[in-house]
Amino acid sequence: DTAVSQTPKYLVTQMGNDKSIKCEQNLGHDTMYWYKQDSKKFLKIMFSYNNKELIINETVPNRFSPKSPDKAHLNLHINSLELGDSAVYFCASSQGLAGAFFGEQYFGPGTRLTVT
Amino acid sequence: AQSVTQPDIHITVSEGASLELRCNYSYGATPYLFWYVQSPGQGLQLLLKYFSGDTLVQGIKGFEAEFKRSQSSFNLRKPSVHWSDAAEYFCAVGGRAGGTSYGKLTFGQGTILTVHP
Repeated sequence: DTAVSQTPKYLVTQMGNDKSIKCEQNLGHDTMYWYKQDSKKFLKIMFSYNNKELIINETVPNRFSPKSPDKAHLNLHINSLELGDSAVYFCASSQGLAGAFFGEQYFGPGTRLTVT
Repeated sequence: AQSVTQPDIHITVSEGASLELRCNYSYGATPYLFWYVQSPGQGLQLLLKYFSGDTLVQGIKGFEAEFKRSQSSFNLRKPSVHWSDAAEYFCAVGGRAGGTSYGKLTFGQGTILTVHP
């Protein structure tokens, strides 16, 4: 069983399109995250949800909108895609922020988004 | 602001050789430090972590890391590398409890490890 899964694994789309990436965790965690890994390989946190509530919201364009239908799912919707959105997006989960604090954060395999 | 630098983008070693991956951090207080590994097609997996106490920490898969405050470093080591260790390795620093960075990890750029037979 995959603990944190993401779909799709690869996403190629054109500028201006709207796309979504889905994330699901079966670990029973209450906190989920989205990270972006840019072309220089830096992995940066974008959002975090705890029990479906937004608790971390880094400086991210409004075109990015996370949605958490329940605490096992955190989806990322991106409007009006731009070339600079090309990156690998990682979902992660933990039990509270304390889980991340202690390194008990579980990551998905990533979604490689390519905007042409 | 906290930051992490991994000076080596790509390292190649022979199987059985020793390994050291470098990590330097910038943080205003005693840092909480982590090493993660990412195998192809997999998510990041925690190798080891340092919070306090003994500056030499042991992790999974035979890895260890040493925290050196004077050098702001947290280098990852393994005495004898196995072919299955080929992966990408990320160093990270975590935010302290009570601060605005709590629960956030700041990662380095990663070091790709290639192992020759």
